[in-house]
Amino acid sequence: NAGVTQTPKFQVLKTGQSMTLQCAQDMNHNSMYWYRQDPGMGLRLIYYSASEGTTDKGEVPNGYNVSRLNKREFSLRLESAAPSQTSVYFCASSEGGVGTQHFGDGTRLSIL
Amino acid sequence: RKEVEQDPGPFNVPEGATVAFNCTYSNSASQSFFWYRQDCRKEPKLLMSVYSSGNEDGRFTAQLNRASQYISLLIRDSKLSDSATYLCADGGTSYGKLTFGQGTILTVHP
Repeated sequence: NAGVTQTPKFQVLKTGQSMTLQCAQDMNHNSMYWYRQDPGMGLRLIYYSASEGTTDKGEVPNGYNVSRLNKREFSLRLESAAPSQTSVYFCASSEGGVGTQHFGDGTRLSIL
Repeated sequence: RKEVEQDPGPFNVPEGATVAFNCTYSNSASQSFFWYRQDCRKEPKLLMSVYSSGNEDGRFTAQLNRASQYISLLIRDSKLSDSATYLCADGGTSYGKLTFGQGTILTVHP
């Protein structure tokens, strides 16, 4: 009964390093999302994938890329990490067309 | 104006109190709204959906006021376990996308 699984849970990077955050869901959902959450800012959508094979920009896509590898997996890549990307990143999934999004337990990313 | 705005609080209430939060939205075409609960250092979890005038689930009541473009969450008989951040979200008109407010912090004390 895993739901949405994110890896890693914690990561510290140096400025300029790259990394990929992984997300997988086992609920056969069509849509997947990446958010970042900063203090006092709520959740902001980075990218989303309405269905397998499609991706679209959200509110704050700059500095990120995504890949919808298959129906289960949606990864987020930081090509050249910057301190401004220090945040908590949440992946979510939904059947699509309805607002009930199920969230992973987050990745806490610090960039020095 | 932000698309979704909430009073960040914090709201500090005693056990047993009734507390209400409001959330305003700017997209008059939005069709669905949601309240999520987020515990400290945890992921958001859906509390309630609001598609029309309102929704009630036990001690929790959510209402939608389209004329004034806000949704509200009422918690009756507050419990210590209700302490959390409450996030409202606008489902807009785009398939599955949500726009979140910044959250309202609630602390229920003995």
